This record gives sequence, C-alpha cells and structure tokens, in this order.
Amino acid sequence: AQSVTQLDSHVSVSEGTPVLLRCNYSSSYSPSLFWYVQHPNKGLQLLLKYTSAATLVKGINGFEAEFKKSETSFHLTKPSAHMSDAAEYFCVVSDRDNNDMRFGAGTRLTVKP
Amino acid sequence: GAVVSQHPSRVICKSGTSVKIECRSLDFQATTMFWYRQFPKQSLMLMATSNEGSKATYEQGVEKDKFLINHASLTLSTLTVTSAHPEDSSFYICSASIWGLPLEPGQSYNEQFFGPGTRLTVL
Repeated sequence: AQSVTQLDSHVSVSEGTPVLLRCNYSSSYSPSLFWYVQHPNKGLQLLLKYTSAATLVKGINGFEAEFKKSETSFHLTKPSAHMSDAAEYFCVVSDRDNNDMRFGAGTRLTVKP
Repeated sequence: GAVVSQHPSRVICKSGTSVKIECRSLDFQATTMFWYRQFPKQSLMLMATSNEGSKATYEQGVEKDKFLINHASLTLSTLTVTSAHPEDSSFYICSASIWGLPLEPGQSYNEQFFGPGTRLTVL
C-alpha cells in the first residue's frame, strides 16, 4: 500500500524568502502525487499534481514540485513566500492502478512579516 | 469542471440525533465517492469508499452502523451519522473520482475531486 511522509510538521519563513515543504512517498506501483493546501476552516485546494509526464510540475500561486524517483521525494517549493501562503499543506499519493489516495500528516506553513 | 458540493456546510445537533450529509458531483458522473474525517489540526483520514449501487467499503476502525453511507446515483452520496455524540464532532469531507468513466483531456483516474467539507458539532 502507498504512504506518504511529510518531514516537517511546521515550517516558518519570512515573507519574500523561499519555501520548501518536504514530502517522501512509498508506493508499490507508479504513483501519482498531489499537493493540496487548506486554509483555516476551509476545504482543500489542489496546488499541483504529478501523474506521469514532466517530473517538474508547476502549480498555482507560484508553487512547483519535482518528482524524484531515485529519492522517492516530491518536495514543494516557492521562490518567494507571501503572507497569503500561510496555511496547512498536504502531500498525497495515489497508486496509478487504483484510486485510493493517502494523505500525509500535513505541514503548517507560517509566514512572518 | 469537476465540481463537488456538500450540504450542509455546517451543522450543530444535539447528542443522540442523526445527521445526514450530502455529497454531489455537479458536472460529472462519479462512479466512486470517498468520505474523510478531519479532526482539528490533523490530517484527513479515509473513512469509507462507496461505489454507485453497491455497499460501501469501510476502513478499519470505522463503525458501519454508525456511519451509514448510501451512493444511490452517479452524482450523489450521503453520509448519515447515527446517534451522534460529541466525539463525532469533526470536519467531514467527501471526494469523487471518475474511475471507470471515459477520461477527458488532463484527467486521470486516480485523482479525486474534493467537496468543501461539512463542519459537524455535536452538543
């Protein structure tokens, strides 16, 4: 069965500095990987997804992630943090042969002015 | 496209009552829908998977008789929390996939489309 580990439960950055949210996955098959963001008391918003095409995936709001099979990683990055980026971020893995999604524990991003 | 709605968005009920939450796929047909529960400051935990016209598959530790799931059509699944208690208070999120249906450009079978969630508070 697939699983995902988000290496940091909380990341704090200053506005304008880079963001790195780390995610490692485990999958028996070719995985699909997703990053979702959740603002307080809100639903999930898809930031980006990797299914099978380019390993560097660009998403909304300036976020991107790179699928590295050799490292089983799918880290989320953004060059310059904005105050509005403060939220909870979830890395999600799904095996290509089924539609069962598994969520990571989440990383809370705090952006300081 | 691929919009999923939930109703109600928020519900407060007394202990011992039952609450029904609806999940609808508005512009696509969903052969499979999923129900998740999210406690404060925690991740989403899959409760059950429901396929249209058949019984739901529950994750280990989820009580089937307490969380009744019905998936009567390709656009509607319902979750009924029976005899709710304060410990059932949580954020319930549904999602839908298009597993088994023809794919549109950019879609993949193992992607789920999430509803906005329902906040349940049991007094």
